[in-house]
Amino acid sequence: GAGVSQSPSNKVTEKGKDVELRCDPISGHTALYWYRQSLGQGLEFLIYFQGNSAPDKSGLPSDRFSAERTGGSVSTLTIQRTQQEDSAVYLCASSLETAPSSPLHFGNGTRLTVT
Amino acid sequence: AQSVTQLDSQVPVFEEAPVELRCNYSSSVSVYLFWYVQYPNQGLQLLLKYLSGSTLVESINGFEAEFNKSQTSFHLRKPSVHISDTAEYFCAVSSIQGAQKLVFGQGTRLTINP
Repeated sequence: GAGVSQSPSNKVTEKGKDVELRCDPISGHTALYWYRQSLGQGLEFLIYFQGNSAPDKSGLPSDRFSAERTGGSVSTLTIQRTQQEDSAVYLCASSLETAPSSPLHFGNGTRLTVT
Repeated sequence: AQSVTQLDSQVPVFEEAPVELRCNYSSSVSVYLFWYVQYPNQGLQLLLKYLSGSTLVESINGFEAEFNKSQTSFHLRKPSVHISDTAEYFCAVSSIQGAQKLVFGQGTRLTINP
């Protein structure tokens, strides 16, 4: 596709349920990033992938959060046993490489609401 | 570790007026600096960046930002704004070492009034 695609665009779930958020990066982009945008915390880094490897997971808030990337392409962010504080917009971005000269292309995000 | 402070959460201005969106950062290591823009109902887009060289950088739509190392600032300016500039603007930094692990400010909502 022309840009980074995220699905679903909106997700409402009950507290305690698991959710999966999907990101389709731009074809050929080796680097993929997950960020979270919430009212109280602003934009926070969660994790990034170089290929299928995740060299930096330091932003994941708890062990309920995990992410994987397969085939150097699609990535899935999984949140287990969701809590109300997980409500936020989850943003995915990709770039040709991890160097700062390579701009990040963001998707429109998945708005997660935990009731 | 790095941190970014955007001093104004909201900036209302009239069309064709000048605007400055302020950004200050703190870091124990050298950083690269970025401004991202989020138009209504759209994803974040890179507006401009400072990596090295000239401290004044420009975007294609008339914005400019100047890196001031002594004041640890990277303020964004435009001499004459348009209605279409209405958006939220985010200042961000990343360490020059390693991947683009961006640290963002809280954002400034720019509203242009006719």
